[in-house]
Amino acid sequence: EDQVTQSPEALRLQEGESSSLNCSYTVSGLRGLFWYRQDPGKGPEFLFTLYSAGEEKEKERLKATLTKKESFLHITAPKPEDSATYLCAVLVGEYGNKLVFGAGTILRVKS
Amino acid sequence: DAGVTQSPTHLIKTRGQHVTLRCSPISGHKSVSWYQQVLGQGPQFIFQYYEKEERGRGNFPDRFSARQFPNYSSELNVNALLLGDSALYLCASSRQLPNYGYTFGSGTRLTVV
Repeated sequence: EDQVTQSPEALRLQEGESSSLNCSYTVSGLRGLFWYRQDPGKGPEFLFTLYSAGEEKEKERLKATLTKKESFLHITAPKPEDSATYLCAVLVGEYGNKLVFGAGTILRVKS
Repeated sequence: DAGVTQSPTHLIKTRGQHVTLRCSPISGHKSVSWYQQVLGQGPQFIFQYYEKEERGRGNFPDRFSARQFPNYSSELNVNALLLGDSALYLCASSRQLPNYGYTFGSGTRLTVV
């Protein structure tokens, strides 16, 4: 069964305190790994797609990396506006049409 | 371009009732998917439609059904509502399959009382 596990469940950081979120996965046929940001009461907002082990992508203070079994979302010098739930998902299925999500990491950045 | 549009934004229903949720994809997107997100969990896949054909179904009971119209908009129907159906229902669209370019709507918050 395809499975995605995110850790930690919640993370509190001081502004400027860098850290990493983890996403480990077990899938039968990975077509891609996605990171999303979700604010309360809103839909997930796309951040990154990674396709193969060793791939890295960056956007502002965020950097995503991928290995054969896990992905990391590194947050450098976070600001309070980075506070949100970060979701990891893997794209699977015969048609590449199904996202399997982890439960998310709730990030709080205090000033 | 408008994003993925979902209606209504909020809905309160009584146990046993029926509900219809609606989704308009981004212009040019032919694939629509539905996800259920219970509070504190990640979204769970319900259905996926591409070119008006069902291409995937998640582990949900037959009370859940969906369809896609010729203009690529979609409806999600849930019959005989249970308290456990209370959740945020998300619609996502993409241009093609595989769904590398998923865009989510803001969702419909369904509360069953």
